[in-house]
Amino acid sequence: GAGVSQSPSNKVTEKGKDVELRCDPISGHTALYWYRQSLGQGLEFLIYFQGNSAPDKSGLPSDRFSAERTGGSVSTLTIQRTQQEDSAVYLCASSFIGEAYEQYFGPGTRLTVT
Amino acid sequence: EDQVTQSPEALRLQEGESSSLNCSYTVSGLRGLFWYRQDPGKGPEFLFTLYSAGEEKEKERLKATLTKKESFLHITAPKPEDSATYLCAVPNSGNTPLVFGKGTRLSVIA
Repeated sequence: GAGVSQSPSNKVTEKGKDVELRCDPISGHTALYWYRQSLGQGLEFLIYFQGNSAPDKSGLPSDRFSAERTGGSVSTLTIQRTQQEDSAVYLCASSFIGEAYEQYFGPGTRLTVT
Repeated sequence: EDQVTQSPEALRLQEGESSSLNCSYTVSGLRGLFWYRQDPGKGPEFLFTLYSAGEEKEKERLKATLTKKESFLHITAPKPEDSATYLCAVPNSGNTPLVFGKGTRLSVIA
C-alpha cells in the first residue's frame, strides 16, 4: 500500500521567506509526527498530532514554526521568515494510536535556505 | 534529560565480517527501545522494538539485544546491501514520542 508521502522533495528558499511543507500519512494512521534532521545530527522531534487531541508542540524550536493537521489526515508544517539554520531535512512519520513507536517515515523534504 | 548515545559513529566492514553496533541510553522507566535503518535520501525504516532486558529479535542478518543500559545490533556475515545508517531511539520520559541517537553509519565493502 501507499506509504507516507511528503512534498516537495526539495525546497530552496531565500532567507526571510515563508515555506510550507506537506505530509500525507498512511491511510488509517491517527498519529502524525514531524522531525528535523540536520547534517551530522540525530532526528529532532518537532511536533506530534494524535487523533483529535491538542498537538504536542514541545519540540518546535521557535514561534516561526507552526503545523496544522486538517481532517485528521494531511499535515502542513510552516516555517515563517526562514533562517539559514532552518536548513535541514524535514521528516514526517505516522503510526496507529497504541503503536506510537512503530512509526513509518516519509522520504523527507530537504530545505535549503540561502 | 534523557540521552541516547550510539557507537561507533561509523563502521567499515568487509563483506562477511560480523560486528556489533551499540546504543546506550539513560531514561527513567524504559518503555521500549527501537532500531531503525536509514538509507541515503530516505526516511528511517522501522526494524525492531525491544521492551525488556534479555529480549532478542532477529531479521535476516540482524539481531538486536537489550540490557538495562544498552542495546546491541549484531550484524552477522554482512553484505554490501546492509550498508546504511542505523538509528536507535527511546521514548522520552516526557511527552515527546521518540529520542533518537545520531546513528552509526555502516559501510560493507565487497
